[in-house]
Amino acid sequence: GAVVSQHPSRVICKSGTSVKIECRSLDFQATTMFWYRQFPKQSLMLMATSNEGSKATYEQGVEKDKFLINHASLTLSTLTVTSAHPEDSSFYICSARPGGNSYGYTFGSGTRLTVV
Amino acid sequence: KNEVEQSPQNLTAQEGEFITINCSYSVGISALHWLQQHPGGGIVSLFMLSSGKKKHGRLIATINIQEKHSSLHITASHPRDSAVYICAVRYGGAGNQFYFGTGTSLTVIP
Repeated sequence: GAVVSQHPSRVICKSGTSVKIECRSLDFQATTMFWYRQFPKQSLMLMATSNEGSKATYEQGVEKDKFLINHASLTLSTLTVTSAHPEDSSFYICSARPGGNSYGYTFGSGTRLTVV
Repeated sequence: KNEVEQSPQNLTAQEGEFITINCSYSVGISALHWLQQHPGGGIVSLFMLSSGKKKHGRLIATINIQEKHSSLHITASHPRDSAVYICAVRYGGAGNQFYFGTGTSLTVIP
């Protein structure tokens, strides 16, 4: 089946540094990937939609200069949290839809970011 | 407004019990997904529904389009079923993004 590989699974970084999270579709081409964030005991919230070869579309309230998304190829999308702060500590997860008319989605395994 | 409501929020069951988790949404959808989130955070897609009923092992998912309601049933529950179960919907015309329920935290006691 379709697999999305996401890493790192866990990362601890210091305030002010940047962290890059990768999502890679292993056996399909993903023209679109979605990035979500989940705070403890809360629902997943869409941050942005990543489109291969074009600029990402950010949801209201998500700072595009802080959360840089790059989708340079059909199999790789990256989310970079720049100048991280403790309030950015969260669980980040990506998802993608294999091509065709399938409504099925595949999720990455998620990245737990802790900013200290 | 796109709203997805799940109930119950928390559920504790004895091993072997039949479990039902409910999901309601506010407007017509193009698809509904049931997801399982493990304690470490990883998410597995269990079902995708647009109508009717689907079964996979001990899991059954149903959807009633007219009533805008879906249920996830677990038969003969087992401690390994302990996880957060999330209902997610996609709406026609809203692109492909999901709107998520807040999840149901299930604990199955041996």
